Amino acid sequence: DGGITQSPKYLFRKEGQNVTLSCEQNLNHDAMYWYRQDPGQGLRLIYYSQIVNDFQKGDIAEGYSVSREKKESFPLTVTSAQKNPTAFYLCASSTTDRAFFGQGTRLTVV
Amino acid sequence: AQKVTQAQTEISVVEKEDVTLDCVYETRDTTYYLFWYKQPPSGELVFLIRRNSFDEQNEISGRYSWNFQKSTSSFNFTITASQVVDSAVYFCALSAKSGGYNKLIFGAGTRLAVHP
Repeated sequence: DGGITQSPKYLFRKEGQNVTLSCEQNLNHDAMYWYRQDPGQGLRLIYYSQIVNDFQKGDIAEGYSVSREKKESFPLTVTSAQKNPTAFYLCASSTTDRAFFGQGTRLTVV
Repeated sequence: AQKVTQAQTEISVVEKEDVTLDCVYETRDTTYYLFWYKQPPSGELVFLIRRNSFDEQNEISGRYSWNFQKSTSSFNFTITASQVVDSAVYFCALSAKSGGYNKLIFGAGTRLAVHP
């Protein structure tokens, strides 16, 4: 099936640890995005990438890092510099006129 | 700068009422796309509709309809005869060029509660 796969669905992190969220797509899309959603809030853009080996900061990039070594993959690392990382993270890929979303990763700091 | 504003944080209606969700956008780009997505409690985003900036025709799909007006930079969404299954968070989104890159941004969402 074509689509976007995010893993894991649930993730627990100890304070001070880095953690990487996976996002893979087999839709052959150039553009990929990462969003953060806090309870009762909208989707805020963390990073986006239009092409391999190139990415741009979104509105809340501090404390996060990404890579785009392959077209299919856009992993997000939540670093220890992110002071409040507990949230729901959504990955998307898109053509010019439509975005497709993964099922999300719920990250909790314990 | 690009921006999407959904001024209604929460709306509560009784089943069978009609309800309109407002969306106002800002962009300097002349070519852009507007979207509506539904987010049920499970969390995934369900695509509802896409509109490009050159197509101002309103659209109806069953109980759903959309009113796109460039003159007021609005893309409102109406549910006719609402049902309990329509309860969800609805997001309006804008895809436009920013600094040479296509950027997809979302409004804060409107939580719709439909009561029996």
